Amino acid sequence: DTAVSQTPKYLVTQMGNDKSIKCEQNLGHDTMYWYKQDSKKFLKIMFSYNNKELIINETVPNRFSPKSPDKAHLNLHINSLELGDSAVYFCASSQRGQGLAGQYFGPGTRLTVT
Amino acid sequence: QKEVEQNSGPLSVPEGAIASLNCTYSDRVSQSFFWYRQYSGKSPELIMSIYSNGDKEDGRFTAQLNKASQYVSLLIRDSQPSDSATYLCAVKVAGNQFYFGTGTSLTVIP
Repeated sequence: DTAVSQTPKYLVTQMGNDKSIKCEQNLGHDTMYWYKQDSKKFLKIMFSYNNKELIINETVPNRFSPKSPDKAHLNLHINSLELGDSAVYFCASSQRGQGLAGQYFGPGTRLTVT
Repeated sequence: QKEVEQNSGPLSVPEGAIASLNCTYSDRVSQSFFWYRQYSGKSPELIMSIYSNGDKEDGRFTAQLNKASQYVSLLIRDSQPSDSATYLCAVKVAGNQFYFGTGTSLTVIP
């Protein structure tokens, strides 16, 4: 019954590795997002997809690549992981046009790069 | 200057008191304003939204917006220990752009 789910919940990996985080929503929403929250709780949007089309692409290293196979899924692939990538990554979704007014967040994935 | 600024706190208030959380933003064309609550180790959840100048009340929560001063605040009346969390201010500007503040940590002391 989870509205927005992410896997894995925790991810510990070494520098230089490539990893993926998966996100799925069962709310029927058109828009999905990826956020990064650092250790100081600063929450920053990274990407947004509307019905599989990229609509927000903030200044993010191109080691980060989102992929949306369908409107219910938005995955995040990270190449050549760096120490500074350690953070909590949140997926979120909303109905088209609602943006922040109707955004549901997933439980987060805590990524630790050693 | 960051787009959205909040005092990081921590802000401590006794149970039953009014907690006042403040947020300023830099973009004058900001359109919509939101307050999210985030418990430790959990994801943010929307608690209030406000779009026009003035006050908006929802239960124990009141959001106040002053666009001329580029200021939005959240008041929590009759604060409860369960209100202890980090409160994130978020601002939507033109198009699809929006920004979050760094959050204010609130502790309500029983």
